[in-house]
Amino acid sequence: DAKTTQPTSMDCAEGRAANLPCNHSTISGNEYVYWYRQIHSQGPQYIIHGLKNNETNEMASLIITEDRKSSTLILPHATLRDTAVYYCIVRRGGYQKVTFGTGTKLQVIP
Amino acid sequence: NAGVMQNPRHLVRRRGQEARLRCSPMKGHSHVYWYRQLPEEGLKFMVYLQKENIIDESGMPKERFSAEFPKEGPSILRIQQVVRGDSAAYFCASSPPGQGGMDTQYFGPGTRLTVL
Repeated sequence: DAKTTQPTSMDCAEGRAANLPCNHSTISGNEYVYWYRQIHSQGPQYIIHGLKNNETNEMASLIITEDRKSSTLILPHATLRDTAVYYCIVRRGGYQKVTFGTGTKLQVIP
Repeated sequence: NAGVMQNPRHLVRRRGQEARLRCSPMKGHSHVYWYRQLPEEGLKFMVYLQKENIIDESGMPKERFSAEFPKEGPSILRIQQVVRGDSAAYFCASSPPGQGGMDTQYFGPGTRLTVL
């Protein structure tokens, strides 16, 4: 699986959009971009995933650059409950383990 | 649809005892994964199982740890003769069959094992 690079930490004001970047310059054509988050002491929560196209669901939007070397997770209106560690993961399809990196610690500030 | 369930949520054992952690996957899910998170560290894969089969155990310690996912009932992660270094949060994840090549894993709340 391709390696990802994320900022160690970020702050975001409550009510504003949180934009979390991820670099994955070695991604290959059959690898997906996944985002999970882990709120303190809880199990990781699936957020969204995509291959080439931008994706949106009730939680977030995923913007993938045309060359697929980077992506951005957007939480449109951050709340205090969005404070968590966010993991960007690149992985092939098929049933296999998820490799978690160190992620970005997002702090939403009142 | 209930999520992935794990029990117990907290487990305290003394050194040398056995720990049994249970995971009930989401309804209809046939793939189960176990991960471990040591204090202040990231999640590490341990083992991947399907019903009655271990598919990938590359992350399992060679001794004292075993896992099963029987035809009926929950998946069990068993740790024999626990040591203090086994103290961690153990998370289970499940995914459904037939996703057309995808594998979105949904995680349970975890079991926090403390070894005294």
